[in-house]
Amino acid sequence: GNSVTQMEGPVTLSEEAFLTINCTYTATGYPSLFWYVQYPGEGLQLLLKATKADDKGSNKGFEATYRKETTSFHLEKGSVQVSDSAVYFCALSEVQGAQKLVFGQGTRLTINP
Amino acid sequence: KAGVTQTPRYLIKTRGQQVTLSCSPISGHRSVSWYQQTPGQGLQFLFEYFSETQRNKGNFPGRFSGRQFSNSRSEMNVSTLELGDSALYLCASSLAAGRTGELFFGEGSRLTVL
Repeated sequence: GNSVTQMEGPVTLSEEAFLTINCTYTATGYPSLFWYVQYPGEGLQLLLKATKADDKGSNKGFEATYRKETTSFHLEKGSVQVSDSAVYFCALSEVQGAQKLVFGQGTRLTINP
Repeated sequence: KAGVTQTPRYLIKTRGQQVTLSCSPISGHRSVSWYQQTPGQGLQFLFEYFSETQRNKGNFPGRFSGRQFSNSRSEMNVSTLELGDSALYLCASSLAAGRTGELFFGEGSRLTVL
């Protein structure tokens, strides 16, 4: 079946450091890919998405590129801030038009000032 | 615009009991989906409703059921509770149709089964 694998956390970085959170997937067909973020005390929020190969999703300084050849969707940010501390989830959608997502295990990110 | 509202936020039940959780989607959103979040299994899809019809169902036993009303509000029910049902149950709404995977989540209902 379809699955998503994320790098294990927790990840701790200093402010202004470069961030990469790895995400790889297994899927039949051509899924859409997503990054969701869960800030402390808040619900999950969509951070960015990409719907086809080579698409780049971006938002709030975060970027991720849909790489079909490596089945990856790594999340990157050039300079993290303390406010980026959260849990990040990579996910894929199995069916176009449906809201059934397969999530990775989540990566907890802590940014120290 | 109000977000997704879930009630109750916290509840404690004992094994064998049943529970009903409620979800009010964002106004105008017609699709509601439910997820179970546990430390061991992570986020797992339960089911999705659109216009009062179940469109997709995850791999959960029949003790887990749901429904959607004409105003798009949704409920999920778990019967004969087991200890392993302790989890955060998340509801998400979306506009559906062309917005694949763009979900707006509530803060969840945390269920503890003793």
